[in-house]
Amino acid sequence: QLVLTQSPSASASLGASVKLTCTLSSGHSGYAIAWLQQQPEKGPRYLMKVDTDGSNSKGDGIPDRFSGSTSGAEHYLTISSLQSEDEADYYCHTWDTGTRVFGGGTKLTVL
Amino acid sequence: QVQLVESGGGLVKPGGSLRLSCAASGFSFSDYYMSWVRQAPGKGLQWVSYISSSGYTTYYADSVKGRFTISRDNAKNSLYLQMNSLRAEDTAVYYCARDKAASAPVSAFWGQGALVSVSS
Repeated sequence: QLVLTQSPSASASLGASVKLTCTLSSGHSGYAIAWLQQQPEKGPRYLMKVDTDGSNSKGDGIPDRFSGSTSGAEHYLTISSLQSEDEADYYCHTWDTGTRVFGGGTKLTVL
Repeated sequence: QVQLVESGGGLVKPGGSLRLSCAASGFSFSDYYMSWVRQAPGKGLQWVSYISSSGYTTYYADSVKGRFTISRDNAKNSLYLQMNSLRAEDTAVYYCARDKAASAPVSAFWGQGALVSVSS
């Protein structure tokens, strides 16, 4: 079964960098994923799709501070030069035939 | 620009029915797969259903299979979710979402959501 696992929470200081992780379930390491951001009281916002070769396909207006990478079954979202508006929930998201899957989300706190 | 606007949410008693609509604009609606995704209060995102661009193929999460029906009217640029036999655990904000592209079946454009509350 295709499952995405994320740490429930992360924190980093204003101006610093943070790396969030999304892990694909066993046997599914060759899947591309997307990253979504959900700020408080708002709907999800597409950040980027990260292909298995690590290439990023960002949504319109997504700053260069956001980047994605991958290694095996792990996908990473790195946010540099953290700003207060980056405080949000971050979800990874993928697909398979007949299903769409979301990770449980990581709540990012900017200190 | 892409716009997705959900409507039809509200308060319904357990066992009742509700139909959500999603009005799409700013893109060629008939070219894209569409999804419904929900978020229970204080919880994460949960995929509910998706439908192919033609409407001929549909898939559902096990939790709603047999109770919910997704459909679309490409002439009206509209997506629907008919929800029957509603349960308390169906209480959530329901989002309409569009795939990024046929080659990238991830939800890349989202509506603002419609709140469905199931309570007696």
